[in-house]
Amino acid sequence: AQSVSQHNHHVILSEAASLELGCNYSYGGTVNLFWYVQYPGQHLQLLLKYFSGDPLVKGIKGFEAEFIKSKFSFNLRKPSVQWSDTAEYFCAVNAGDTGRRALTFGSGTRLQVQP
Amino acid sequence: DVKVTQSSRYLVKRTGEKVFLECVQDMDHENMFWYRQDPGLGLRLIYFSYDVKMKEKGDIPEGYSVSREKKERFSLILESASTNQTSMYLCASSLGGPNQPQHFGDGTRLSIL
Repeated sequence: AQSVSQHNHHVILSEAASLELGCNYSYGGTVNLFWYVQYPGQHLQLLLKYFSGDPLVKGIKGFEAEFIKSKFSFNLRKPSVQWSDTAEYFCAVNAGDTGRRALTFGSGTRLQVQP
Repeated sequence: DVKVTQSSRYLVKRTGEKVFLECVQDMDHENMFWYRQDPGLGLRLIYFSYDVKMKEKGDIPEGYSVSREKKERFSLILESASTNQTSMYLCASSLGGPNQPQHFGDGTRLSIL
């Protein structure tokens, strides 16, 4: 069974600081990887996804993530955060080679950006 | 833009009641999902459906059932509500393949008293 670990549960940054949120998964085969964001009071939205090709993926709002297969990681990055990035971030995975359509989510990272 | 609509934002029910949570999507998606979201646990899959009348158990199906009579509608049923089912429930839908992103509704915050 797949599992996803997000080691940072709560991150506090000042505006303009750089962000990196960790995500590690446990599955040895082909994977599809996603980052979702949930702004306060809103529904989950897709930030970016990876399923093949260039391991550096760019998403919305200046976010990017890098898939490192040897480390089973898919870390999310942003060079300079804004107050509006305050939200909860979820990493998710499914096993691409099984056809499984449901996602396994990590426990989430709450990001607080101070002005 | 895909719209996933959950029938209630907030719901309060009593222990032992049968509870129905409804979800409708407007993009003809094959797949629909029910998750519950709890602090520190992320989202956990309860059930999903990849076609009308088809369903599969997720990671935490105990105490729940689902119904999908029409492609656009996916219902979650709490057969006999208990206090440990107090949670935020999220519905999602997606197109057929496993690399397709899921689109989420606003959620239903359910309290069981």
